[in-house]
Amino acid sequence: DVKVTQSSRYLVKRTGEKVFLECVQDMDHENMFWYRQDPGLGLRLIYFSYDVKMKEKGDIPEGYSVSREKKERFSLILESASTNQTSMYLCASSLPREAYGYTFGSGTRLTVV
Amino acid sequence: AQSVTQLDSQVPVFEEAPVELRCNYSSSVSVYLFWYVQYPNQGLQLLLKYLSGSTLVESINGFEAEFNKSQTSFHLRKPSVHISDTAEYFCAVSEGGGSNYKLTFGKGTLLTVNP
Repeated sequence: DVKVTQSSRYLVKRTGEKVFLECVQDMDHENMFWYRQDPGLGLRLIYFSYDVKMKEKGDIPEGYSVSREKKERFSLILESASTNQTSMYLCASSLPREAYGYTFGSGTRLTVV
Repeated sequence: AQSVTQLDSQVPVFEEAPVELRCNYSSSVSVYLFWYVQYPNQGLQLLLKYLSGSTLVESINGFEAEFNKSQTSFHLRKPSVHISDTAEYFCAVSEGGGSNYKLTFGKGTLLTVNP
């Protein structure tokens, strides 16, 4: 069964910490995405990547960075966590053809205290 | 730029009642349309999609959606819902023609099925 795996389901971090959220896919997908999901706001795109070592900013990149050193892994980095980054984070991957849609991971619920 | 509007943020219904979740999009080019479902504490799963051809598409669990180009809509329907259909539903659109594409999502509709 094809999968997008996010390393943690629940995470609690302190304000100011550097936080790494990991995402791995086993489908050989070129495209990978990071979203955050908040009540009433839906899914908002943080960063995406179309290939190894490539990254592009989404709609809300401030306070985040990403890394894609290997095709199967896409990491989201919170450089200095703040309480307003408490959210559900969703990783997704896709083939480079829009007809297929995305495959999502199960999400990481991050709480910053 | 494309956008997606889900007209209802919450839809409460009773079990075995019909339901319609509304989705409108705006785009100046041809589109692909998707419905995703998110059960509590899970990620999003693809429910169904419209690419081309027949404007009525169906999922394996009884949902259907109809693409209406003139009204730029892609409403999701089910004639009789179950308790297990309680979830959040997201409509999404992708503009055709690109290879490096993004989906644009609506803000979601929370469907609550009550006994």
